[in-house]
Amino acid sequence: DTEVTQTPKHLVMGMTNKKSLKCEQHMGHRAMYWYKQKAKKPPELMFVYSYEKLSINESVPSRFSPECPNSSLLNLHLHALQPEDSALYLCASSSSGTSNDNEQFFGPGTRLTVL
Amino acid sequence: SQKIEQNSEALNIQEGKTATLTCNYTNYSPAYLQWYRQDPGRGPVFLLLIRENEKEKRKERLKVTFDTTLKQSLFHITASQPADSATYLCALNTGTASKLTFGTGTRLQVTL
Repeated sequence: DTEVTQTPKHLVMGMTNKKSLKCEQHMGHRAMYWYKQKAKKPPELMFVYSYEKLSINESVPSRFSPECPNSSLLNLHLHALQPEDSALYLCASSSSGTSNDNEQFFGPGTRLTVL
Repeated sequence: SQKIEQNSEALNIQEGKTATLTCNYTNYSPAYLQWYRQDPGRGPVFLLLIRENEKEKRKERLKVTFDTTLKQSLFHITASQPADSATYLCALNTGTASKLTFGTGTRLQVTL
């Protein structure tokens, strides 16, 4: 199975809501990532988990809270978001979080709209 | 400041021709560089990785070069097809292991 799955595909939420994005991979990868992508822009790294520990936080606002319950799952908890947080949120995984030449496998993304 | 720029926001070519996309970077010394393809509304898909000590890498109709002196990578698609139409992104490791920073992207359109 060489697939990264993400749920939901689409999410509309108000600024006072709490929601979660989910990501799953069964490739035995030990690094997982969250990216944010605005229209016509490249993906921007948000968080990296390596061996289930948070290794990189790219100064992301605290209204985004990542969680890695186990090596196959990655969540992104959302709370009190702003309309400018509307974007495509991509999850990715790679085989190692310590080697620096791994390809990353991306999920299809969750299209988030904040009203 | 650190930048990763891809020279064209959009590139239109005719079917059968070779598409050449450019990735230029400043103030980085990446150990490797990757190229990804992204279709609208979907996640990027890995195509090729080239290391700093490699000059050229090939995979089927794809060829990548990496010049660390010029701080540039070229990505070629030979015998292009309409199905090659997509956005192509270069990505560099830019710091700790596994951290990738993506270039601005080039939207390739191959017409009949």
